[in-house]
Amino acid sequence: TQLLEQSPQFLSIQEGENLTVYCNSSSVFSSLQWYRQEPGEGPVLLVTVVTGGEVKKLKRLTFQFGDARKDSSLHITAAQTGDTGLYLCAGAMGNTPLVFGKGTRLSVIA
Amino acid sequence: NAGVTQTPKFRILKIGQSMTLQCTQDMNHNYMYWYRQDPGMGLKLIYYSVGAGITDKGEVPNGYNVSRSTTEDFPLRLELAAPSQTSVYFCASSSQRDTQYFGPGTRLTVL
Repeated sequence: TQLLEQSPQFLSIQEGENLTVYCNSSSVFSSLQWYRQEPGEGPVLLVTVVTGGEVKKLKRLTFQFGDARKDSSLHITAAQTGDTGLYLCAGAMGNTPLVFGKGTRLSVIA
Repeated sequence: NAGVTQTPKFRILKIGQSMTLQCTQDMNHNYMYWYRQDPGMGLKLIYYSVGAGITDKGEVPNGYNVSRSTTEDFPLRLELAAPSQTSVYFCASSSQRDTQYFGPGTRLTVL
């Protein structure tokens, strides 16, 4: 059973388009993180959201944590080829290690 | 600041061979983790440690062993390599249970 479901699994878009990827769960998390992983490298933290309903912006990326702290979304405005990569969400709950989703693999085509 | 370093970067093993994947962090983090990532998939936790001398199993520990004798080092041991262990292995560390810093990975092929 996958605790964190990410959708879509794959996404291929043209440069300049907008997109949203989702991270959903039936469990409540104390915080949720988004990582980006480029080919041949380890994941790198993009943002941590802690409060239900929280919205954080990182340049063209907008992250939202659901009011009930069970889900999150990542919206990218005017995607660029440099946004290509695997986007992973990870949830923190209790004293257990982070729970990772399977990721959304994004390809931005010039 | 090196962060998390892993060696080797690449390795090819024959079935039944053993090896140790090395992981070192210089951030004085208490928590360290080993993950495997199969092609096109997310991360699966193998083992983790909350401090020197303390280790615990993750989601997929079978076929692996770890030790944590110092804060800095967290080696992962494969005793009898099997083709199912072909994967990319990532080590990570964190000061608390959330934000993790990952190494560059070790790509292992078992033939």
